[in-house]
Amino acid sequence: GAVVSQHPSWVICKSGTSVKIECRSLDFQATTMFWYRQFPKQSLMLMATSNEGSKATYEQGVEKDKFLINHASLTLSTLTVTSAHPEDSSFYICSARDVNTDTQYFGPGTRLTVL
Amino acid sequence: SQQGEEDPQALSIQEGENATMNCSYKTSINNLQWYRQNSGRGLVHLILIRSNEREKHSGRLRVTLDTSKKSSSLLITASRAADTASYFCAPSYQGGSEKLVFGKGMKLTVNP
Repeated sequence: GAVVSQHPSWVICKSGTSVKIECRSLDFQATTMFWYRQFPKQSLMLMATSNEGSKATYEQGVEKDKFLINHASLTLSTLTVTSAHPEDSSFYICSARDVNTDTQYFGPGTRLTVL
Repeated sequence: SQQGEEDPQALSIQEGENATMNCSYKTSINNLQWYRQNSGRGLVHLILIRSNEREKHSGRLRVTLDTSKKSSSLLITASRAADTASYFCAPSYQGGSEKLVFGKGMKLTVNP
């Protein structure tokens, strides 16, 4: 299947700092990417839909100024967690939709720990 | 809510047995996708079935779709210990901007 990468795979940061997570579709172009977070032993919670060349669409309850999303090209979306706090510690997963097959492929996830 | 709901939420079987998990959803879909997730890892795409399809196969996996009942099932035949994981169904609703909303998933344990 198609490959979606995420970088970094894990990050530890101090409270108050900002962290950027990259999501790349490696062998297909993705006009739409999605960002999820997952707490231990829970399901994935959709945070936002990232649209290439336009503003992201955020789910209810997700602060757009807290979680900045940029989808600058057809293969790259970034999620920046601004002024991170311990409660932002989570597993962040992105997905990219292959328009040719309608399939959404997921990245391996990024584990964020905020001290 | 718009997520697919998996049933049962947990299943424990012996290697070699078949595992069946069911998914119910709410409104008309474009397609429905099944995923597997090993603990602490990303999701692996298993199968996509479109609304005009009734059954699809991929190796030991068989997926059915009944749009009249708004349900889908995933069958894993001749299970292996490596199939131990959480499984999720994700319907893509018509007019829903292609986003997938996930339910709680089903935890499958295959005992050697």
